[in-house]
Amino acid sequence: ETGVTQTPRHLVMGMTNKKSLKCEQHLGHNAMYWYKQSAKKPLELMFVYSLEERVENNSVPSRFSPECPNSSHLFLHLHTLQPEDSALYLCASSQDVQRDGRAYEQYFGPGTRLTVT
Amino acid sequence: EDQVTQSPEALRLQEGESSSLNCSYTVSGLRGLFWYRQDPGKGPEFLFTLYSAGEEKEKERLKATLTKKESFLHITAPKPEDSATYLCAVQVGGAQKLVFGQGTRLTINP
Repeated sequence: ETGVTQTPRHLVMGMTNKKSLKCEQHLGHNAMYWYKQSAKKPLELMFVYSLEERVENNSVPSRFSPECPNSSHLFLHLHTLQPEDSALYLCASSQDVQRDGRAYEQYFGPGTRLTVT
Repeated sequence: EDQVTQSPEALRLQEGESSSLNCSYTVSGLRGLFWYRQDPGKGPEFLFTLYSAGEEKEKERLKATLTKKESFLHITAPKPEDSATYLCAVQVGGAQKLVFGQGTRLTINP
């Protein structure tokens, strides 16, 4: 495997279900991110992790719960979602988070297309 | 508030017809401007990073430039396989997130 991988690629879940999205990066990076991409809207950052520590949480509802057990893996646990949560969920990684004014490009996975019914 | 605006929303060209996509931004403390390509149903693919005004980067038929207010992605003699949505994003000092524009959907007709 190379780059950033995500599973599953597609997920349909009811509003009362609990499911998890998985992301793995094979780039040796220190930072990982979750983004949400809804139709007709720009990508929105959800969470940022640096070496397993959450460094940013952009006012995301508690029904989304991230977990980063190590610097290569990132999960997004989902429970009691709403239909408006249907979107493409993208994972990304970068060499590091921004430090001392240095910005690093982020590399994205293929995404998980989530449909909440 | 940091803002990124891309224009046009959609662009249709004939194969070989060169053009430019625009990304204008109003941010404080730009640390980097990024261009991505996204194909339908896939994640964004990284193309370029630009850090300061006057900088230029090239890759095959694509060339990205940066000024203090905007960036251009120039496409020279495009081919049908260049059809995709092109996304521009900025990162500002003190923030970890990339602020994305809405994207330009580019279609190259053979």
